[in-house]
Amino acid sequence: AQTVTQSQPEMSVQEAETVTLSCTYDTSESDYYLFWYKQPPSRQMILVIRQEAYKQQNATENRFSVNFQKAAKSFSLKISDSQLGDAAMYFCAYSNRDDKIIFGKGTRLHILP
Amino acid sequence: KAGVTQTPRYLIKTRGQQVTLSCSPISGHRSVSWYQQTPGQGLQFLFEYFSETQRNKGNFPGRFSGRQFSNSRSEMNVSTLELGDSALYLCASSRGERAPETQYFGPGTRLLVL
Repeated sequence: AQTVTQSQPEMSVQEAETVTLSCTYDTSESDYYLFWYKQPPSRQMILVIRQEAYKQQNATENRFSVNFQKAAKSFSLKISDSQLGDAAMYFCAYSNRDDKIIFGKGTRLHILP
Repeated sequence: KAGVTQTPRYLIKTRGQQVTLSCSPISGHRSVSWYQQTPGQGLQFLFEYFSETQRNKGNFPGRFSGRQFSNSRSEMNVSTLELGDSALYLCASSRGERAPETQYFGPGTRLLVL
């Protein structure tokens, strides 16, 4: 069975600094997607970034980028120039062909002004 | 394009009652998935519907059921509510093309069981 592990329940970063959130996963599939979702307090879950497993190039979305290490089954999220609005719970997630998303437990990110 | 909508946003029920939650997917999306989010268990997959058929199911008791209509709108029903059913219920939609896809989430229905 596929699993997703986020080893950092909580993290803090100073505003304007860079922070990296860790995620590892386990699967025997070769075709899958990995995601980072953001859930601000009492607000909607939104997609931050996604990575197709067959792509070697790391995905980037503005200040958000990933470090995808397929062999190591590692998928970390880097947030550059952290902003107060980045404060949220971040979920690493995995999906393959059966359209079910498996989520990690989440990392709560605090931004310190 | 309008996003995923869920109604109601908040519900308070008592033990033993039943509840029905509704989800309207993004236009053109045929797959709707339901998730339960609790502080202790995190996000857990309930089931997925595609073209009015349940295509995938998580490990929840039979008290949790769902259905999908021809317009892709989906409902989730929980019967004989228990205190532990208090949670945020999220639905997510996707095109459902049987390839790894991005799912788009609704705002959730927060259910409190007293």
